[in-house]
Amino acid sequence: DAGVTQSPTHLIKTRGQQVTLRCSPKSGHDTVSWYQQALGQGPQFIFQYYEEEERQRGNFPDRFSGHQFPNYSSELNVNALLLGDSALYLCAVENRGRETQYFGPGTRLLVL
Amino acid sequence: AQSVTQPDIHITVSEGASLELRCNYSYGATPYLFWYVQSPGQGLQLLLKYFSGDTLVQGIKGFEAEFKRSQSSFNLRKPSVHWSDAAEYFCAVGVDRRGSTLGRLYFGRGTQLTVWP
Repeated sequence: DAGVTQSPTHLIKTRGQQVTLRCSPKSGHDTVSWYQQALGQGPQFIFQYYEEEERQRGNFPDRFSGHQFPNYSSELNVNALLLGDSALYLCAVENRGRETQYFGPGTRLLVL
Repeated sequence: AQSVTQPDIHITVSEGASLELRCNYSYGATPYLFWYVQSPGQGLQLLLKYFSGDTLVQGIKGFEAEFKRSQSSFNLRKPSVHWSDAAEYFCAVGVDRRGSTLGRLYFGRGTQLTVWP
């Protein structure tokens, strides 16, 4: 058990809508990364948050934004949804200094 | 640019047979290396990792991996596969360590393992 929860587990949206996904690490995991995994592909890095700031960002458009709260939980927001945003969105948590990322169960987003 | 190659998209083995999944990376220095496993509809579970030291690392579920610097490889092995090992396996590398955090991981496309009874 990686000790990280994600909500919701599944979500269906239509094109143009906005979505918010949530990630809650257990105590001690202060760094949160988000990944997008399209069907049949490996996860692609979206961004990483640490100390409530975005520290790194992958090659994703500005429609993808995030936030980290003081309790280390995080949200991923996607605006103006496209069909291509349909994917499994994974949250990965890290205990600073441990140099290992542990993944949550993911949120499966379907955009119609 | 960093890249991770898993040349085998799909591997089928019989239960009890040995297994080797290949992973090659493109990066100048020695990266942080990981193998994850993903069951259908699930997140990724860490099998093992390599940072430095002994190039043969042991992981959970009887898996091991060997880092070969000269070949830029980090192949995953298991001497005897069980039916429950059927899943997708991902190799990942971390090369963007920032301060005390690992930074982004680069993943391969994955290898789907099917196990025949």
